[in-house]
Amino acid sequence: DVKVTQSSRYLVKRTGEKVFLECVQDMDHENMFWYRQDPGLGLRLIYFSYDVKMKEKGDIPEGYSVSREKKERFSLILESASTNQTSMYLCASSLRGLHNEQFFGPGTRLTVL
Amino acid sequence: KQEVTQIPAALSVPEGENLVLNCSFTDSAIYNLQWFRQDPGKGLTSLLLIQSSQREQTSGRLNASLDKSSGRSTLYIAASQPGDSATYLCAMSSSRNSGYALNFGKGTSLLVTP
Repeated sequence: DVKVTQSSRYLVKRTGEKVFLECVQDMDHENMFWYRQDPGLGLRLIYFSYDVKMKEKGDIPEGYSVSREKKERFSLILESASTNQTSMYLCASSLRGLHNEQFFGPGTRLTVL
Repeated sequence: KQEVTQIPAALSVPEGENLVLNCSFTDSAIYNLQWFRQDPGKGLTSLLLIQSSQREQTSGRLNASLDKSSGRSTLYIAASQPGDSATYLCAMSSSRNSGYALNFGKGTSLLVTP
């Protein structure tokens, strides 16, 4: 069965902290994505990766970075967390290539105080 | 950025009713459209993916249709049950953007009452 897991369901951090969100998939997918979801704004793409060590900016990359050292793992990094980064973060993966079905993890609810 | 719109934002129906959720899009270069379900505080579950060359896709009590010319997709849920209560999101993949990312609507929140 298709599986995407995220390291934490809930996370509380303080302003200025460095935050790591981890995503792991066991489907041997090449593409991985990070989205954030906010009320009234819907899902917005932060970054995606189509191969190990490759990354592309999405619609809202400011304040974030990513790391893809292994195929199955995609990390989202908040270099210096701010209160406006309080959100639900969703990871997804898909097969190599374009326009493929995406499978999502359970999400991480991050609160920055 | 191309728009994806879902109307209504919320819908309440009694158990047993057949219902239709709507998704409209402005991008004629659609490649495919995916329907998701999201339970409160949870991630997205993929329900159906319909290619631009297809008219319909079915899975159990769910049927998704796609009309490229009118820029519309519908998700039909037959014989609704309280367990169908969730937010339903549509998302399109287009040849105009990177082809990797999905463009999401804001969702329809469905409540099925016993």
